[in-house]
Amino acid sequence: DTAVSQTPKYLVTQMGNDKSIKCEQNLGHDTMYWYKQDSKKFLKIMFSYNNKELIINETVPNRFSPKSPDKAHLNLHINSLELGDSAVYFCASSRLAGGTGANVLTFGAGSRLTVL
Amino acid sequence: TQLLEQSPQFLSIQEGENLTVYCNSSSVFSSLQWYRQEPGEGPVLLVTVVTGGEVKKLKRLTFQFGDARKDSSLHITAAQPGDTGLYLCAGSYNQGGKLIFGQGTELSVKP
Repeated sequence: DTAVSQTPKYLVTQMGNDKSIKCEQNLGHDTMYWYKQDSKKFLKIMFSYNNKELIINETVPNRFSPKSPDKAHLNLHINSLELGDSAVYFCASSRLAGGTGANVLTFGAGSRLTVL
Repeated sequence: TQLLEQSPQFLSIQEGENLTVYCNSSSVFSSLQWYRQEPGEGPVLLVTVVTGGEVKKLKRLTFQFGDARKDSSLHITAAQPGDTGLYLCAGSYNQGGKLIFGQGTELSVKP
């Protein structure tokens, strides 16, 4: 069973279009994230939700709108796509590791977005 | 500003060699994690370290957290082609806090 699944895995679209990426986790985690990985493999947090509530919103253009219908789902909608939005987008969920208090992330396989 | 600097960024070695990857910062972290990412997949957690000076071993991988909790290293003994991948360190300033990732080290181990 896939723990964190995101769809689609590949997305090729034209500038100016609107697209969505969906994410679901079956781990029972309370917190979910969207990360963006650029062409240099740098992984940067975009958003974090805890029990459907937005808790982290990094400096992301408001063309990006996350939505969490329940704590197992976190979708990402992107309006008016630009060339610079091309990247791999990762969904993740997390639990607090017992004893360490560290957030341990489980990532999906990524969604590669190419804007032409 | 890159808060977590990893070095080297690229490493290409022969099977059987040893290697060390470094993760450095000027900030103190509550905990630090190492992840490994293979092509077409998401990062997978290898280890979490929380105590200054802590050393953890995972088969041929040895992880160390610096005494001041500002840096960490990953040492691989007798590297194998299966170790090929992107190694990412990630730190958190407080318990349950968000993770900040380094820029990664791409390791290629040739047979």
